[in-house]
Amino acid sequence: DTAVSQTPKYLVTQMGNDKSIKCEQNLGHDTMYWYKQDSKKFLKIMFSYNNKELIINETVPNRFSPKSPDKAHLNLHINSLELGDSAVYFCASSRGQGDTEAFFGQGTRLTVV
Amino acid sequence: QKEVEQNSGPLSVPEGAIASLNCTYSDRGSQSFFWYRQYSGKSPELIMFIYSNGDKEDGRFTAQLNKASQYVSLLIRDSQPSDSATYLCAVVNSGYSTLTFGKGTMLLVSP
Repeated sequence: DTAVSQTPKYLVTQMGNDKSIKCEQNLGHDTMYWYKQDSKKFLKIMFSYNNKELIINETVPNRFSPKSPDKAHLNLHINSLELGDSAVYFCASSRGQGDTEAFFGQGTRLTVV
Repeated sequence: QKEVEQNSGPLSVPEGAIASLNCTYSDRGSQSFFWYRQYSGKSPELIMFIYSNGDKEDGRFTAQLNKASQYVSLLIRDSQPSDSATYLCAVVNSGYSTLTFGKGTMLLVSP
């Protein structure tokens, strides 16, 4: 019974394509996040949503568009994929903003060829 | 820019020894501090959190916080080969509502 689940786990696609990653949490949390972990393992926040509202939008190309249809889901759509987008993308959720434990999904390894 | 700094390692310790992992942060107003463990190819999982100056112990793990020095550490006693992983320090910066991660320290525990 996975707490934070994301699909797909692996995604290989060509440059220029558009792709989506889905995330769902069944913890009843109010806040969800997308993180990007690059090849050097640096984990960096991309977006944060609280109760379906965008709270944080870091310096991310506007090719990346998050969408939260309800507070249990936060999907990530990426347009016109580039080689540099290759990374592991983690979805996470927490009870509230900031100072509570964040639970991570298993990650989506995106490879752009 | 508010930063969290960690030595990337690897930190190598023999089985049974104490592993000491260190982290410094730049935002003096930070209030919440977390240690995550990440095995290769897996997602980060929370080990410890600490909010107040001093030590906090949980089993073999002890988190230490010194806000005056802007320093947080994680001690792992009786290190086991299964502790081999990357340990990520994370901080909630003041006026900010999410975690900022350090680049992580790789720990290798040899049998």
